[in-house]
Amino acid sequence: NAGVTQTPKFQVLKTGQSMTLQCAQDMNHNSMYWYRQDPGMGLRLIYYSASEGTTDKGEVPNGYNVSRLNKREFSLRLESAAPSQTSVYFCASSAAPGGYEQYFGPGTRLTVT
Amino acid sequence: QQQVKQSPQSLIVQKGGISIINCAYENTAFDYFPWYQQFPGKGPALLIAIRPDVSEKKEGRFTISFNKSAKQFSLHIMDSQPGDSATYFCAASSYSGAGSYQLTFGKGTKLSVIP
Repeated sequence: NAGVTQTPKFQVLKTGQSMTLQCAQDMNHNSMYWYRQDPGMGLRLIYYSASEGTTDKGEVPNGYNVSRLNKREFSLRLESAAPSQTSVYFCASSAAPGGYEQYFGPGTRLTVT
Repeated sequence: QQQVKQSPQSLIVQKGGISIINCAYENTAFDYFPWYQQFPGKGPALLIAIRPDVSEKKEGRFTISFNKSAKQFSLHIMDSQPGDSATYFCAASSYSGAGSYQLTFGKGTKLSVIP
């Protein structure tokens, strides 16, 4: 039982490049989330998926797109990376929509130069 | 914009002392108040949570105190240990429509427990 897994762990992009961050959970959870963490800013919600087939914007969705591929997988795509998107990205899941007991992955550290 | 304000930003406590982290909120629709603990290089993990109809919840050395009228809640870590050194986030859960809820996080408190 791996919980929430994220790939890659580290990534360096040049401005304008695109990439997809992958997330998978094996806990049969319905809801999944993408957060970004910046120093002194806490965790900010980018997008979430309350259940398979639905996605909604969070607090900071601009510059990102998401895909809920199936119940297990939720990906985050940066179409044209900008230096302001340098951050640590966390995927999380919960059994219930917006459940306060969210399980987080280990994070992806992204640097955009 | 919904907000949860957390203080202090950083905290240094001696081993065996009490660590206290405070949070305040404005939205009375928040219905659950969890605390998360994050070690360097790891994702946050749920530590303890409280409902707004309860004034205190204790789990081992960790206690949440909740003051509904003041819209404040706090985390107390008794007998703090070096292994408690981590970043702590308070959060609040709220309904965001269409059967969905969201967590709003405070900005975090970096706790250092020194021997």
